[in-house]
Amino acid sequence: QKEVEQDPGPLSVPEGAIVSLNCTYSNSAFQYFMWYRQYSRKGPELLMYTYSSGNKEDGRFTAQVDKSSKYISLFIRDSQPSDSATYLCAMSAYSYGQNFVFGPGTRLSVLP
Amino acid sequence: GAVVSQHPSRVICKSGTSVKIECRSLDFQATTMFWYRQFPKQSLMLMATSNEGSKATYEQGVEKDKFLINHASLTLSTLTVTSAHPEDSSFYICSARDIRDRVSNQPQHFGDGTRLSIL
Repeated sequence: QKEVEQDPGPLSVPEGAIVSLNCTYSNSAFQYFMWYRQYSRKGPELLMYTYSSGNKEDGRFTAQVDKSSKYISLFIRDSQPSDSATYLCAMSAYSYGQNFVFGPGTRLSVLP
Repeated sequence: GAVVSQHPSRVICKSGTSVKIECRSLDFQATTMFWYRQFPKQSLMLMATSNEGSKATYEQGVEKDKFLINHASLTLSTLTVTSAHPEDSSFYICSARDIRDRVSNQPQHFGDGTRLSIL
């Protein structure tokens, strides 16, 4: 079993839809969780980061962590074609800045 | 915001060539930089952690003599792929931690990657 699992997609949604992206993990020690967006041929761009369980909202993005289920989610409201990218979750037991594991990424296409 | 610049963005070269990739933090100082490798449709895999003024720490399975890392200043780390072969073709991405972020526990800042193609 991989340490972090993510549905690779592709996930195609119409513009304006609410998108739900998810990761599951096996290491119960993980407590720092991050979501990155990666456009084709570019480096990852940090979207959100959260500590332990709970929700965090930033504009159209909401991150949720359910440590009891070892499950994290990123919701995108009012999705736009510019949101089309690969979304990577990352998590660590120690910090946001080091020793973290990336998920394989979910490719999202938002259709105009 | 913090900017990490990678150069070159694209390299195509013949087998047996050594290739150097630069990673610069443009508006902050980074005592620690990281080098990742990403194959198509796969996630980022950490290759090594580079600390300014000391030897890099390599992840298991990464050949240190193949992938030479130098972090001579607080704003520059270089990765040299020595005697590159087609199987070394990949997307190489660096990231950096702001020297101040270790205290505040902020995530890394990533460069835009270097696409390396060995013919």
